[in-house]
Amino acid sequence: DTGVSQDPRHKITKRGQNVTFRCDPISEHNRLYWYRQTLGQGPEFLTYFQNEAQLEKSRLLSDRFSAERPKGSFSTLEIQRTEQGDSAMYLCASSLGWGTESGQYFGPGTRLTVT
Amino acid sequence: RKEVEQDPGPFNVPEGATVAFNCTYSNSASQSFFWYRQDCRKEPKLLMSVYSSGNEDGRFTAQLNRASQYISLLIRDSKLSDSATYLCVVNTNAGKSTFGDGTTLTVKP
Repeated sequence: DTGVSQDPRHKITKRGQNVTFRCDPISEHNRLYWYRQTLGQGPEFLTYFQNEAQLEKSRLLSDRFSAERPKGSFSTLEIQRTEQGDSAMYLCASSLGWGTESGQYFGPGTRLTVT
Repeated sequence: RKEVEQDPGPFNVPEGATVAFNCTYSNSASQSFFWYRQDCRKEPKLLMSVYSSGNEDGRFTAQLNRASQYISLLIRDSKLSDSATYLCVVNTNAGKSTFGDGTTLTVKP
């Protein structure tokens, strides 16, 4: 399977714990996005990388969230001191392009439940 | 007011019907536009790009009106398999992607 993969697919954690999610994009894609989605809402933009550079980050993102893409390939999203409001589906997407966006391909997501 | 707004629906149509969805956006710096479909409990899947000149892919036609800042999606001859949530997406050149909350379509036999 050469699509976008995410790990884990499900994560249950207790409030206050830290969690880390991984995303492996389509191999030739230089762009990588993280989103959060809750029921009945569209995906909410969190951050965007072009290669290893984090070029855009949502103002909605608190300091508890951090993302990395150290070698321009896979990416990790870490949430520190989780809160119940962090419960959501976390989606990763990748695309190929320079300048104008060419369309994103999504992974299956990581469903986070904070108890 | 949200940056990207869609009528949530639901749209309930019979097989064979033609249905149209609209999406409005507020950021005039937006550069690229797309429609995605999302099935229940699945990830969004890219449906098509949207251009000012219009874009057609089989039964699907997308159109962009930059002056009025809206995009549209027309589905002709609806199939049961078209039942899904349709999301419009607006991107800036800086890389920020903004999704609407989606319009739900149910095609009935």
